[in-house]
Parts: sequence; structure tokens; C-alpha cells
Amino acid sequence: NAGVTQTPKFQVLKTGQSMTLQCAQDMNHEYMSWYRQDPGMGLRLIHYSVGAGITDQGEVPNGYNVSRSTTEDFPLRLLSAAPSQTSVYFCASSLYTTDTQYFGPGTRLTVL
Amino acid sequence: AQSVTQLGSHVSVSEGALVLLRCNYSSSVPPYLFWYVQYPNQGLQLLLKYTSAATLVKGINGFEAEFKKSETSFHLTKPSAHMSDAAEYFCAVSETGGTSYGKLTFGQGTILTVHP
Repeated sequence: NAGVTQTPKFQVLKTGQSMTLQCAQDMNHEYMSWYRQDPGMGLRLIHYSVGAGITDQGEVPNGYNVSRSTTEDFPLRLLSAAPSQTSVYFCASSLYTTDTQYFGPGTRLTVL
Repeated sequence: AQSVTQLGSHVSVSEGALVLLRCNYSSSVPPYLFWYVQYPNQGLQLLLKYTSAATLVKGINGFEAEFKKSETSFHLTKPSAHMSDAAEYFCAVSETGGTSYGKLTFGQGTILTVHP
């Protein structure tokens, strides 16, 4: 099992550009989520999904979109990047909603 | 609503000394509680979790934590620190019901430094 994979590992964007952060898991997990990590603030939930076709907002959803067309994939889209979105982004998955979440290695995003 | 407070953003100990990282939570329903560790430039790895069974939970690498409902605490301890324990540690709470069901809320993190 590869576990949770994320691409790219690093990305630099200019303000206003759009991009998609990819996340995939091969553990047949129903629950997937996206977090952003900022110094001194821990991890904050952006969006989550309890299964294919079902997504919902977390604590900080503004400026981000998600979709879940398959169990395996959960991409995060930045619609129009802003410097405030400079952060490290983590994708996580778990077998069910309250189970242990397994984290990917992260994507470090810088918006200039 | 649920929240987590980790007391002390930085903790420094000597190798061989006791490690104590503090975590207090608030939750409107019985929670699940987790400790995760993050090594530099890596993702988060589960250390241990409490899911309403035994209140003293043992995890990997010699860490343990005790759930104290009366104090709403879930402090992480290790009797003897190793250099390899240097990392950032996160406490997290997940509610077992209500509008925050299943959502993980993290504390701010505590950076542990271990001196030789």
C-alpha cells in the first residue's frame, strides 16, 4: 500500500492563478479530508468527504473547492490564489468518520 | 463546539528526563482524543488515541496519555526522553455526535526539543 499520496510536494503560484492539489489513497477509506497547517495554529480543516459524491465544508473553506468522484481521489482546487493561502496542505483519510486519520506527506504552497 | 488547548508552544527537556506535554479539551459530547507527532518536513503520524475504553492509553515509542474527564485533560507523557523524540506534537479531539461529528480539531502544537 502506498497509503495517502499528494502531488505536488512544492508549488509556487502568482496571485490570481488557479491550481489543483492532488490527493489519492489506496486503502479503500470512505472518509477523506484536507487541512492547512500554519505556524502556531495547528491544522485547520478545509473540506471533507464521507464518501464518493459527498463533500462538506470545514472550518476554513473560503477560496477552495473539492469534489469526490471516486473513493480513491479527493482533489483540492484553489480558484484564485491569494498570498493568505500560502501554507502547507495535508490530505488525510480514514476508514470511517471517527477512525484514525492517516496523513499524506503534504504540499508546501507559496503564493506570491 | 469542540476545542483543544496545548499549554506551552515549546518544551525543552534533557535526554533521559520525563516528557510531559499538556492538552486540555472542550467538547459537548464524549470525545475521541488523539496525539499525533510530526517530524520535520513530514506528515502527521498517530502516537495514540483514546476511544472511551481504558483511560490510560499506551502508544508507540514509549508514550502514553491519561484521559481525565473531571479535568478535561489528555496529557502526553514519556518517562525518559530520547534525542529521536524531538518533533512537534499535536493533540486533537473528535466529537462522537452533534454537528462536529467526526471532525478533527487540532491544538496549536508543542515543539519538543531534547538536549544531550
